[in-house]
Amino acid sequence: GAVVSQHPSRVICKSGTSVKIECRSLDFQATTMFWYRQFPKQSLMLMATSNEGSKATYEQGVEKDKFLINHASLTLSTLTVTSAHPEDSSFYICSARGTSGSETQYFGPGTRLLVL
Amino acid sequence: DAKTTQPTSMDCAEGRAANLPCNHSTISGNEYVYWYRQIHSQGPQYIIHGLKNNETNEMASLIITEDRKSSTLILPHATLRDTAVYYCIALGANSKLTFGKGITLSVRP
Repeated sequence: GAVVSQHPSRVICKSGTSVKIECRSLDFQATTMFWYRQFPKQSLMLMATSNEGSKATYEQGVEKDKFLINHASLTLSTLTVTSAHPEDSSFYICSARGTSGSETQYFGPGTRLLVL
Repeated sequence: DAKTTQPTSMDCAEGRAANLPCNHSTISGNEYVYWYRQIHSQGPQYIIHGLKNNETNEMASLIITEDRKSSTLILPHATLRDTAVYYCIALGANSKLTFGKGITLSVRP
């Protein structure tokens, strides 16, 4: 199947700082990328959807000014958690959907964020 | 997208077939049935999907009933590495993949 990578795999930061997470589709072009968040013992929650070259669409309750998403190319999307606080500590997972018309989404390995 | 219902958990013996059921009685004609799994602390992994016909790949088989109201994911020879949460999702065109609670499969030695 298609491969999606994320970097970094885990990050620890101080409260008030910003953290950028990269998501790359390695062997296909992704028209649409998605960002999810998962708290311990809970299911994945969709945060936002981004299409290449346009603004992201955020799910209800997700602050767009806090979670900045950039999808500048067909293989790269970034999520920046601005002014991170301990409650933002979570497992962040991206996924990508290709341009072939298939609805199949492929997921990255996730980024574990710990805000101290 | 149609709601899906799965048991909370099940287990099976290593080497035996694992049959994971899913109900999707309100699925519409253009919605696919997708299966993903999430092994602890990893991103979800795509397994298989289908519309009407049964499907098979190197990972699993998907059996969809004729009325499309339910389906079964079959792992033919479960291994310990198949222990994970398995998600059955009904997905239409241009829809967003949303996850329920899934079914926790435990494969015992």
